[in-house]
Parts: sequence; C-alpha cells; structure tokens
Amino acid sequence: EVQLVESGGGLVQPGRSVRLSCAGSGFTFGDYTMSWVRQAPGKGLEWLGFSRGTTFRGTTKYAASVKGRFTMSRDDSKSIAYLEMNSVKTEDTAMYYCARHRDGFIDSFRFWGQGTMVTVSS
Amino acid sequence: DIQMTQSPSTLSASVGDRVTITCRASQSFADWLAWYQQKPGKAPKLLLYKASTLESGVPSRFSGSGSGTEFTLTISSLQPDDFATYYCQQYNSFPYTFGQGTKLEIK
Repeated sequence: EVQLVESGGGLVQPGRSVRLSCAGSGFTFGDYTMSWVRQAPGKGLEWLGFSRGTTFRGTTKYAASVKGRFTMSRDDSKSIAYLEMNSVKTEDTAMYYCARHRDGFIDSFRFWGQGTMVTVSS
Repeated sequence: DIQMTQSPSTLSASVGDRVTITCRASQSFADWLAWYQQKPGKAPKLLLYKASTLESGVPSRFSGSGSGTEFTLTISSLQPDDFATYYCQQYNSFPYTFGQGTKLEIK
C-alpha cells in the first residue's frame, strides 16, 4: 500500500526557515516524481513544484511564486522528499501536501499525503 | 501560465441527480487534465486523468470529457458520498495549475 506522510509543519515566525518532509512507503521512491501542493485556509490548491528521482538526477521544477525561496530535494535511499521554505511570509500559511505522480513527471497526482500545516505568524 | 476556470463555483443538487462541472482553460491543449475530489480536512483524491480515464477504484458514475479549452466532469447519479469540492488541474505545461474548485452541496 502506497503511503505518504508529511511532517515538519507548525508555527513559524516571518522571515524564518522551515523544512518539511514527506516519507514514502509501499513503492520504489526513486522511480517517481514527487510534487508539493499547498492550500491556504479556505482556498484552492496551488502547485509549488516537483523533484524527480535520482534516475533523472533529482531534477526540480518550481512555480514562479516560490522559485528562489523554496527548495525541493529528496533522499531516495531513505524514501523522503523535502521542501525547504526560506524567508517565510504570512501568505505562506497553508496546508502543505506532497503527492506522488501517477507515472511520469508530466502526470497527474495519484497519491497524496495527509498534509502538514504551516502557520506563519509572529 | 494556463489559467483554469471552473463553473459553477457552487452547485446544489440532490441524491440521484446528474451533474456536470465545466473547466475552461485559457490556452488550448490536448488531454493533460485531471479531476480531483476533496472532502473537508482531507487530501485531494484523483478521480480522472488524461481528461477521461477513470482512476482505478473510482466509481463508474464519474466520467470526464473534453479537449482544447473545455473539459467536463459528469457524475451520472449523485450519491451521498459525492458531496465534496472538485478541482480540475492541467499538467500540459508548467506551472501546473488548478481550477478554483466547485463545491457540490446537498440541495
């Protein structure tokens, strides 16, 4: 059974950094592209970017809204994907989901974690 | 960026009704479109991909169609479990973008 479990969220002060983790199980982690998607309270879904497996040299792609401030990485030996968020802003307050692509990197999101909430506030 | 616009934003319907949600894209593309269902406090769930392919385990009352700039999600006979928010998503080009969502409510 495929499972994704996010962790690392919580209350963060503006301007600080936080690293989220997404632990996968039930599949060969390195074979799949992992995306991060966030959802602000009461709002819709926003794709943040993805990281590809080591077979594809861990290639990343980011949405313009977070490029340069957020960094996605992964450790396929541990089946974990990371989202490093720097210089966080109040508007980064959201539930953060990791999602495994269905097959290729140009693909829908077949499996999702339960999400981890990040609240940016002083 | 490709902007995805869903209509309606809210839909009131009854159990047994046939409902259709429309997703319009600001640019034309083939069929790299997915539909998700999200219930309160839960992660989204993939229903269909490539515009019309039903994900494994999803009931056959859900169907999708379309290409170009207009796509539709149809639920043939609403069940109590279907009342949720639905999102379309294009993965034709970066950044992947979602529609704003359609909340399906019980009439």
